[in-house]
Amino acid sequence: AQKITQTQPGMFVQEKEAVTLDCTYDTSDQSYGLFWYKQPSSGEMIFLIYQGSYDEQNATEGRYSLNFQKARKSANLVISASQLGDSAMYFCAMRARGDYKLSFGAGTTVTVRA
Amino acid sequence: EAGVTQFPSHSVIEKGQTVTLRCDPISGHDNLYWYRRVMGKEIKFLLHFVKESKQDESGMPNNRFLAERTGGTYSTLKVQPAELEDSGVYFCASSPRGGGYSGANVLTFGAGSRLTVL
Repeated sequence: AQKITQTQPGMFVQEKEAVTLDCTYDTSDQSYGLFWYKQPSSGEMIFLIYQGSYDEQNATEGRYSLNFQKARKSANLVISASQLGDSAMYFCAMRARGDYKLSFGAGTTVTVRA
Repeated sequence: EAGVTQFPSHSVIEKGQTVTLRCDPISGHDNLYWYRRVMGKEIKFLLHFVKESKQDESGMPNNRFLAERTGGTYSTLKVQPAELEDSGVYFCASSPRGGGYSGANVLTFGAGSRLTVL
């Protein structure tokens, strides 16, 4: 079984600053994938970034980067140069190799202030 | 391409009534999933279709929930009879054939159907 922990229920960040969203996970699987999704007020879950457990490089997608520390079982999301449109709930999720199911954390609400 | 579409966006029903939620996946996506988020808790997996076949329904809470995917296109999730604890947001997602674990096989989610049982 997999467990995802997001310890920050809510965060405020100033526009143009960077913000780090914490995510730790617990799994006995050796091979797995980690995902971050964004859920704005419209409700749709938007895929942001993926990191494979055997990827040597940290994943980056535009202003999003994933700080992957395998030994610590953490996969923190870093959003650089925050924009007002980044205000949303962010979910960390993982999926084991050979499995189709995603396990999600409780989510972190980010509010970007002008 | 059109995304995953869910209908209705919000449904309010009384305990004991029936509700049917519908999901139209991205055209050509063989994999279709239902997830649920109840009362601010984690999003939980309900079930997974591959085309019209149920691949995994281990997350279905009880036999009051019935999911179908006729013809391997759209899917419905029926709750009958609804109970108070069924209130929450029901998400549908789809992904292309194969992949499974692959990072390229990313689930695309819809906006969810919010169910309120009074």
